[in-house]
Amino acid sequence: QVQLQESGPGLVKPSETLSLTCTVSGGSISSYYWSWIRQPAGKGLEWIGRIYTTGSTNYNPSLKSRVTMSVDTSKNQFSLKLSSVTAADTAMYYCARDPGGTYSLWGQGTLVTVSS
Amino acid sequence: DIVLTQSPATLSLSPGEGATLSCRASQSVSSYLAWYQQKPGQAPRLLIYDASNRATGIPARFSGSGSGTDFTLTISSLEPEDFAVYYCQQRNNWPLTFGQGTRLEIK
Repeated sequence: QVQLQESGPGLVKPSETLSLTCTVSGGSISSYYWSWIRQPAGKGLEWIGRIYTTGSTNYNPSLKSRVTMSVDTSKNQFSLKLSSVTAADTAMYYCARDPGGTYSLWGQGTLVTVSS
Repeated sequence: DIVLTQSPATLSLSPGEGATLSCRASQSVSSYLAWYQQKPGQAPRLLIYDASNRATGIPARFSGSGSGTDFTLTISSLEPEDFAVYYCQQRNNWPLTFGQGTRLEIK
């Protein structure tokens, strides 16, 4: 069955750019939206944004100025870049399949800590 | 942004009892509301979508109701594995938003 796996550095310095990749296995990345969602420790969930396989994106306005998403259909991967990070960006980052704004398929999550 | 307010923040119940969790939206989200269950160290799991539809593989003891601004997740008879945090989420307006969660704990 389709599985998602996040990957990327677990530690990012303040003011630098957080970069994560989500690899889709067991199925094609095509014809779906794919989202990033994050969760600070002990807190709730925040939708970061989504990308379609054509490259069309929607971002959360609260993060829009710092977020860039991209997709590589040849590798069955999509990616997140979040610039100018601060400690407030420390969180578990999840990728998820987005067939219309409801998330039935999630990655296991990857913890990103922002610290010098 | 649409704010989703979940109540109560914490619910203490015993296995076998029924649970009622509430989610109130700051403006109408029609029926575009989902419920998720999250256990420690795990990603959220979709339980209910579009207010009242159970996701694949979800037991019948989970049910959802509501429309507009007021929604309810009901667990008819709690099993030990149901003790977790529950989140509601709307997809009617951008940006998609989640509630702050209800922690269901064993009494």
